Amino acid sequence: GDSVTQMEGPVTLSEEAFLTINCTYTATGYPSLFWYVQYPGEGLQLLLKATKADDKGSNKGFEATYRKETTSFHLEKGSVQVSDSAVYFCALKGYWDAGGTSYGKLTFGQGTILTVHP
Amino acid sequence: DAGITQSPRHKVTETGTPVTLRCHQTENHRYMYWYRQDPGHGLRLIHYSYGVKDTDKGEVSDGYSVSRSKTEDFLLTLESATSSQTSVYFCAISERLSGQIYNSPLHFGNGTRLTVT
Repeated sequence: GDSVTQMEGPVTLSEEAFLTINCTYTATGYPSLFWYVQYPGEGLQLLLKATKADDKGSNKGFEATYRKETTSFHLEKGSVQVSDSAVYFCALKGYWDAGGTSYGKLTFGQGTILTVHP
Repeated sequence: DAGITQSPRHKVTETGTPVTLRCHQTENHRYMYWYRQDPGHGLRLIHYSYGVKDTDKGEVSDGYSVSRSKTEDFLLTLESATSSQTSVYFCAISERLSGQIYNSPLHFGNGTRLTVT
């Protein structure tokens, strides 16, 4: 079945540092890939997405490139801020489920806690 | 923000009691999902719905049932709550973008924190 593996956390950085959170996946076919962010006490918000190989998703200074050859979708930001402190989830949607149709189910990684200090 | 309301936001209940969580959407989206969030596990799918009265099981469905009698409401029921069901529960909705469900994002509610004592 589909699976997503994220780098172990937590990650602690100083403000303006470079961020990378690794994400690799296993899926049949051509999944769509997503990054979500969760701030304390809130639900998940879509950060960015990519739906085919070599697509780059970007939002709020964050970027991730869909690499089919390495089955990866690593999240990067050039200069993090204290306000970026949150939990980040990598997720995928398979094109087909076992029944031969897709109901849009998301499969998540375990999440990575990011803390940014001033 | 997507119009998703989860109720209650917090609940404490005793082992063995039934519990129903409600998800209400104002977006008229066809697809709805219930996930649970636990440390070290990310979010795991409990049940999902692809239309009124059309539901199916996710990866962690044991001990849970769902119902969807109207497009806007998706109910999650714990028939007899256990301590292992202490968790944060999230409802999500999705639509088809450009005719494709697989590349459409899910939009999440703010969650229900359930504690089973």
